Amino acid sequence: NAGVTQTPKFQVLKTGQSMTLQCAQDMNHNSMYWYRQDPGMGLRLIYYSASEGTTDKGEVPNGYNVSRLNKREFSLRLESAAPSQTSVYFCASRTVFYSNQPQHFGDGTRLSIL
Amino acid sequence: DQQVKQNSPSLSVQEGRISILNCDYTNSMFDYFLWYKKYPAEGPTFLISISSIKDKNEDGRFTVFLNKSAKHLSLHIVPSQPGDSAVYFCAATREGNLIFGKGTKLSVKP
Repeated sequence: NAGVTQTPKFQVLKTGQSMTLQCAQDMNHNSMYWYRQDPGMGLRLIYYSASEGTTDKGEVPNGYNVSRLNKREFSLRLESAAPSQTSVYFCASRTVFYSNQPQHFGDGTRLSIL
Repeated sequence: DQQVKQNSPSLSVQEGRISILNCDYTNSMFDYFLWYKKYPAEGPTFLISISSIKDKNEDGRFTVFLNKSAKHLSLHIVPSQPGDSAVYFCAATREGNLIFGKGTKLSVKP
């Protein structure tokens, strides 16, 4: 069982370059999420998709865009990367949005912006 | 303003002893609390949760206690094992989204 798969696992970008982080889940979950984790910080929500066809901003959306391509896939795009976006990015999914079921996380994408 | 606080960045415990990880929250509207465990280079994995209407939930070696009047919850691990060494995140839910604390790094020494 793959669960939540994120690609790539590592990436180095130059300031101003663009990049799309991919996420796919095979658990037939309706809601999907993108978080970032910085040293000494918890996970902060960037964007989420409560269900296929919807996306909403989280706590730290500036500099990012998302696409819910279908029920399985939720991508995160950096249009013009900045050093402040150096972070570890986690994708997660859950059965339904308004639920107390836990979110399931991928193993992260480690992104460095020079 | 941090709504979920884990005030201890790290905790060191001897194998076989009890580990107690603490978490405080400020928003009385949270309806569910969860603990996640994270190993290096991996994503967080769900460990245990508790509804705001309960005060205790137990799963094997892991017990979570909730004190609503104090807005405090704690995770007890008994007995602690070296494989429990990881970062533990406390999280709370409200209106569908999770809000995480900054984490506590637990080291269990043999």
